[in-house]
Amino acid sequence: AQSVTQLDSHVSVSEGTPVLLRCNYSSSYSPSLFWYVQHPNKGLQLLLKYTSAATLVKGINGFEAEFKKSETSFHLTKPSAHMSDAAEYFCAVSVFGSSNTGKLIFGQGTTLQVKP
Amino acid sequence: KAGVTQTPRYLIKTRGQQVTLSCSPISGHRSVSWYQQTPGQGLQFLFEYFSETQRNKGNFPGRFSGRQFSNSRSEMNVSTLELGDSALYLCASSLEWSYEQYFGPGTRLTVT
Repeated sequence: AQSVTQLDSHVSVSEGTPVLLRCNYSSSYSPSLFWYVQHPNKGLQLLLKYTSAATLVKGINGFEAEFKKSETSFHLTKPSAHMSDAAEYFCAVSVFGSSNTGKLIFGQGTTLQVKP
Repeated sequence: KAGVTQTPRYLIKTRGQQVTLSCSPISGHRSVSWYQQTPGQGLQFLFEYFSETQRNKGNFPGRFSGRQFSNSRSEMNVSTLELGDSALYLCASSLEWSYEQYFGPGTRLTVT
């Protein structure tokens, strides 16, 4: 079975400092991994994706994530937080297989607070 | 390209009624998935359609159903609404299952 665990439900940083949002996954197969961001009263916006190419993935708005198979992790980072980064972030896994076609499995989300 | 659109954006229904939500995918996308988002359960997969066929279904009761039309637009229906069905319903489209999914703004359903 596939699952995603976001290790922090809430992260608070100061503007201009680095951001680290942690995600661990469990999968019996080679996974595709995604990070989405959700601003209040909005849908989910894709930040970046890993699909078995380069392990360091660059996304939009300066975000990056590194796939580490040995640690089953896909942590999201950004060198310098901006006030507009305050939002809910979701890590998700997608796995090939007849029972999982078209299905994203999401973590519980991490709320990022950015203090001025 | 226009993004995924969902209508209506907000709905208020009474317990026992039924509701139909609509989703128009990005042009050219043939896969449409539906998710329910609640504070308690988070984001949960409802079902996925491709070329008018349901390929996958989540663990929801039969009151939740959907369909997809030949132009890839999709609808989901919830019958005999319960208070617990209050949620944000999100639709996502992709070229195929293996590609990234793009989400619409959601329909906020409130059941009273």
